[in-house]
Amino acid sequence: EAGVAQSPRYKIIEKRQSVAFWCNPISGHATLYWYQQILGQGPKLLIQFQNNGVVDDSQLPKDRFSAERLKGVDSTLKIQPAKLEDSAVYLCASSYPLNTEAFFGQGTRLTVV
Amino acid sequence: DAKTTQPNSMESNEEEPVHLPCNHSTISGTDYIHWYRQLPSQGPEYVIHGLTSNVNNRMASLAIAEDRKSSTLILHRATLRDAAVYYCILDDFGNEKLTFGTGTRLTIIP
Repeated sequence: EAGVAQSPRYKIIEKRQSVAFWCNPISGHATLYWYQQILGQGPKLLIQFQNNGVVDDSQLPKDRFSAERLKGVDSTLKIQPAKLEDSAVYLCASSYPLNTEAFFGQGTRLTVV
Repeated sequence: DAKTTQPNSMESNEEEPVHLPCNHSTISGTDYIHWYRQLPSQGPEYVIHGLTSNVNNRMASLAIAEDRKSSTLILHRATLRDAAVYYCILDDFGNEKLTFGTGTRLTIIP
């Protein structure tokens, strides 16, 4: 079974620039998550999708972050414009509905300079 | 969301059992107890979960207190590859929302 795929693995941008991350979940997984993990902290949930609908985006900074999941499969997370404090690893995860095991990708490490 | 409390760090000798504690005194009756671990430069990976009864799988065992206010993840024979940050998470069944804390950083001593 192929895992959760994320790209790019690394990204360096200047503040105020835009950036997008892509996630391809495991086939058949209806639930998709985006997490932000700042160095030394645990992952923080940004947004949770069930198919292509948003279940929870309460911690997504909506003035600069956006996410979509077209057709209930792949997802993109965008930051526009980026700030220095957005430097973090962005993790995508997926799971079956009502299944308690989530599978994580390796993440995208974003550095904002 | 009910919260969990874990020690910041622990050390264990290689090939010995490891007991990682987690306190969750405000757990509700429908909260499942999950454990995930995160190896260096990797995304978190599922370890085990349970509701009331103790659970065993190929990776570890989960011992849940009778009042469910605490639990212990048991690695029966630690190897260097078990060095990671271990997260104890409560999830209201059906909610599927995994809220991570800061976890316990486990160091294995050769």
